[in-house]
Amino acid sequence: EPEVTQTPSHQVTQMGQEVILRCVPISNHLYFYWYRQILGQKVEFLVSFYNNEISEKSEIFDDQFSVERPDGSNFTLKIRSTKLEDSAMYFCASCPSAGRMNTEAFFGQGTRLTVV
Amino acid sequence: AQTVTQSQPEMSVQEAETVTLSCTYDTSESDYYLFWYKQPPSRQMILVIRQEAYKQQNATENRFSVNFQKAAKSFSLKISDSQLGDAAMYFCAFGGGADGLTFGKGTHLIIQP
Repeated sequence: EPEVTQTPSHQVTQMGQEVILRCVPISNHLYFYWYRQILGQKVEFLVSFYNNEISEKSEIFDDQFSVERPDGSNFTLKIRSTKLEDSAMYFCASCPSAGRMNTEAFFGQGTRLTVV
Repeated sequence: AQTVTQSQPEMSVQEAETVTLSCTYDTSESDYYLFWYKQPPSRQMILVIRQEAYKQQNATENRFSVNFQKAAKSFSLKISDSQLGDAAMYFCAFGGGADGLTFGKGTHLIIQP
């Protein structure tokens, strides 16, 4: 069964460093998302991506965040200068539908980011 | 903007019994989807069941079923014949707006052997 794959599973970084979280969505999917879950809290939407550009982004997704799909398969989330409060589980998701963005999102297994 | 409320931070049920997890939501949209996701200790998000708002029939997936009350904006999850492997966090989610899925705060389900 096709699945969304995220790497690495766990990343530890020093405050102020840049990190890139990687995702390989399901191959025929059209919409891609990043979500964040701070430990013990709910999952929060960060950004959606369609047709090689950002469709929507939340207030959390400020200038230190960026996304791109560099080679048509990988979908990356970059945090330019990490802060302690960026420590969280980051989930990538992809969705097959062209007409509706939220019909069924398939989630990756997540990347646990720890900023020290 | 949508909101999703899960009023039960934690629920406990005996193995083989039935448990119902509640979820209410608020939206001005008429066409949307609702989801229940399971998050085991591994923290992966696993889709349990989904409901399309335009369908009156409640969705069912094996031991999992929902009670969807559109007028009341209620979407509860019933787990029948609970098993130890059902122990996890369960998140209710709303999909229909442009800004991705909106999740509730989750319910921690404990299965007593």
